[in-house]
Amino acid sequence: SQTIHQWPATLVQPVGSPLSLECTVEGTSNPNLYWYRQAAGRGLQLLFYSVGIGQISSEVPQNLSASRPQDRQFILSSKKLLLSDSGFYLCAWSSGTAKNSPLHFGNGTRLTVT
Amino acid sequence: AQSVTQLDSHVSVSEGTPVLLRCNYSSSYSPSLFWYVQHPNKGLQLLLKYTSAATLVKGINGFEAEFKKSETSFHLTKPSAHMSDAAEYFCVVSFLSGNTPLVFGKGTRLSVIA
Repeated sequence: SQTIHQWPATLVQPVGSPLSLECTVEGTSNPNLYWYRQAAGRGLQLLFYSVGIGQISSEVPQNLSASRPQDRQFILSSKKLLLSDSGFYLCAWSSGTAKNSPLHFGNGTRLTVT
Repeated sequence: AQSVTQLDSHVSVSEGTPVLLRCNYSSSYSPSLFWYVQHPNKGLQLLLKYTSAATLVKGINGFEAEFKKSETSFHLTKPSAHMSDAAEYFCVVSFLSGNTPLVFGKGTRLSVIA
């Protein structure tokens, strides 16, 4: 069966520090991969998605970036964190490009920028 | 324009009473529809999905949803609420094939009172 791992679960970082969040998927090949952010009291905001190695689409311009160095690995990064980067970050995957492919989510990373 | 609207930001029910969480969509295309549940500090879990087969869809944990094209609705119901159902619920719509990401509603927080 397919599983998705996301870490760390919680992270407290000072303003201006770098960020690296990692997500890996097991049990499937060539998944579509996604990074979402959920701010307190708000819905989900799509940040990045990827349909293959090295292919990244950005939905919202900001100081975050994403990379996909391997088929089942998706990394969210920042060179310098802002206070506004605080939130709950969720990685997800889907099995194909058809519109009826649901997303499968990791357990999320709670990021607090101080 | 294509959109999804969850009509209630917060719903409160007593344990053992029915649950109704409302969702409407706007689209020129025939959509695929999903409901997800999110418990505090956790990722989103797929409850059920509609993909143009039967209009009444049964999901996990006793939830079901009915697709009504004439009303452009996909409301989530459960006959009898349990305390463990207290969570955030998201209605999600996929309008197109291809790599277009899903569109999330803003969520409905369900509270269950003992």
